[in-house]
Amino acid sequence: GENVEQHPSTLSVQEGDSAVIKCTYSDSASNYFPWYKQELGKRPQLIIDIRSNVGEKKDQRIAVTLNKTAKHFSLHITETQPEDSAVYFCAALSGYSTLTFGKGTMLLVSP
Amino acid sequence: GAVVSQHPSRVICKSGTSVKIECRSLDFQATTMFWYRQFPKQSLMLMATSNEGSKATYEQGVEKDKFLINHASLTLSTLTVTSAHPEDSSFYICSARGWMVETQYFGPGTRLLVL
Repeated sequence: GENVEQHPSTLSVQEGDSAVIKCTYSDSASNYFPWYKQELGKRPQLIIDIRSNVGEKKDQRIAVTLNKTAKHFSLHITETQPEDSAVYFCAALSGYSTLTFGKGTMLLVSP
Repeated sequence: GAVVSQHPSRVICKSGTSVKIECRSLDFQATTMFWYRQFPKQSLMLMATSNEGSKATYEQGVEKDKFLINHASLTLSTLTVTSAHPEDSSFYICSARGWMVETQYFGPGTRLLVL
């Protein structure tokens, strides 16, 4: 089955800095890669996703890149703000099966 | 994005009782619903997948007789924790997905405390 590795497990940055979270996956058939943000005690919220026919996608301060050959994808957050502090999960999906999640990255943005 | 609700948001019960958690898709038809369990500071652990009108598919190690899942309509799935024990205390989150759509939307979660 699919295996998703996520790094780092924790990331501390100063407000205004950029943050990068990286994930690798094992199943070459995976074709959908969402990123979720989860604040403490709240639901995971989809913040951006990318499909395997696209190499990069941007939405304001958030971008995701995908390297199918290397089987890794990354989340980039620019101009970080304290409200970006949360746990971020990457995931991978093959077809319409079940999402496989990474273990999460706790991002702390200090003012 | 699509909206998924979940009730109750938190429940405290005595050991041995059963607890039912409801998950509803409010503005789309959820052909597939998922139930997750999340321990503090950990990732989401998939418990089972249910398709509308079919029996749920449970992940390895999840007791289907203890965690009863019903997905009787395209907008409602329920998880019943039977004969709950303190070790069942956890954060339970559902998610839903439409027909031939990859995106999953999560409910707000239910915090269960079994005394």
